[in-house]
Amino acid sequence: SQQGEEDPQALSIQEGENATMNCSYKTSINNLQWYRQNSGRGLVHLILIRSNEREKHSGRLRVTLDTSKKSSSLLITASRAADTASYFCATDGWGSNYKLTFGKGTLLTVNP
Amino acid sequence: EAGVTQFPSHSVIEKGQTVTLRCDPISGHDNLYWYRRVMGKEIKFLLHFVKESKQDESGMPNNRFLAERTGGTYSTLKVQPAELEDSGVYFCASSPLRIQGFSGNTIYFGEGSWLTVV
Repeated sequence: SQQGEEDPQALSIQEGENATMNCSYKTSINNLQWYRQNSGRGLVHLILIRSNEREKHSGRLRVTLDTSKKSSSLLITASRAADTASYFCATDGWGSNYKLTFGKGTLLTVNP
Repeated sequence: EAGVTQFPSHSVIEKGQTVTLRCDPISGHDNLYWYRRVMGKEIKFLLHFVKESKQDESGMPNNRFLAERTGGTYSTLKVQPAELEDSGVYFCASSPLRIQGFSGNTIYFGEGSWLTVV
């Protein structure tokens, strides 16, 4: 699998439900960041979690990081139609923390 | 405060032509990056500037791509001559210089320049 690989590749849910996306990576990391991209738009930074952190919250977002399993999850609670977008995780490693490695992303569709 | 701005937002050019993309980072951000996503692929790192210096250009695909950041402010990415496989979205991003001992490094992206080569 690729560094920063998300699963599932696509997820369709109803408004109000929770959405969980996972990300796995292969090498040691410094930080892991989640981004959102609405169709035809740019990348919006959602949250950064450091390698020494296990969980972080921001509004309806909850990110977990398990460095022993080299995985992270992004939970969006009480989803809204406006959350429809592609979600990417991106990692940077020790010694090259400026260079982000992205996965292919999860396309989330929230149906009204 | 303005975010990372990119111009043009969309460009359609013919194979063999030249295109120049411009990026204005967030004011005060010394780090500037270019990434791109071609159809169906992951977002890939192209290069990184610290102020006006190229810190890492290992992701530049070939010598048809030239990036500059004169004066350490805005940056340009020129593709000359453009090929069909260059079609995709080119993202610029910026971040402040890291504070020693601080491991967080949020990188802010622009809206992207969507390039179509026909």
